[in-house]
Amino acid sequence: GAGVSQSPRYKVAKRGQDVALRCDPISGHVSLFWYQQALGQGPEFLTYFQNEAQLDKSGLPSDRFFAERPEGSVSTLKIQRTQQEDSAVYLCASSFLARGEQYFGPGTRLTVT
Amino acid sequence: QQPVQSPQAVILREGEDAVINCSSSKALYSVHWYRQKHGEAPVFLMILLKGGEQKGHEKISASFNEKKQQSSLYLTASQLSYSGTYFCGTDTTGGGADGLTFGKGTHLIIQP
Repeated sequence: GAGVSQSPRYKVAKRGQDVALRCDPISGHVSLFWYQQALGQGPEFLTYFQNEAQLDKSGLPSDRFFAERPEGSVSTLKIQRTQQEDSAVYLCASSFLARGEQYFGPGTRLTVT
Repeated sequence: QQPVQSPQAVILREGEDAVINCSSSKALYSVHWYRQKHGEAPVFLMILLKGGEQKGHEKISASFNEKKQQSSLYLTASQLSYSGTYFCGTDTTGGGADGLTFGKGTHLIIQP
C-alpha cells in the first residue's frame, strides 16, 4: 500500500514568508506526528494528532508554528514569518496505534534565505 | 531528555557484526529503532515494548533491558545495504510528549 507522502519535497522561502507543508498519512492511521530534523541530528518531536485532535504541541518551537488536521487525515504544518533557524527537514510520521511503530514520509527540506 | 547512543560511528567489512546501544535516563515504555540513509526518510526496523513484546525485521534483533533503561540493536553478517545512520527513539512512561525522543544517531559504514 501507499506510504506516507509529503509535499513539497523542497521549499525555499525568503525570511519573513509564510510556508505550508502537507502530510498525507497511511490510510487508516489515526496517529500523526510532525518532527523537525536538523542536519546531522536525530528527528525532534514537534506535535502529535490523534484523529483530528491535537493532543500534544509541546515541541513546537514558537507561536509561529501551527499544525492542523481538520478531518483526521491530511495534516498541514504552517510556519509564519520564517526565520533562518527554521531551515531543516520536516518529517511527518503516522501510526495505527498511538504508541506503535511510526512510519515516516520522505520529508520536506525547508531552506530559509 | 535525549537518549544516548553509542558508538557514534562504526566502520565494518561486509559480513562482520555490529552492536549499537541506546541508553535513557528515564523509564521507558518502548524503544524504536530506525535506519536512515542520506536524504531519505527514517525506515522502521524494530519496536521493543515494556513487558517483552517486540516486532520488526527477521534479520535484525534487539534487546531491551527495562531496569537499566537500555536497548541494543544487533546487526549480524552485515551487508552493504545496512549502511546508514541508526537512530533509537524512546517513548517514556508517565505522560509528557507522545512523540518519540531520538538519539543523535550511529553512523554505520559497511565496506566491501
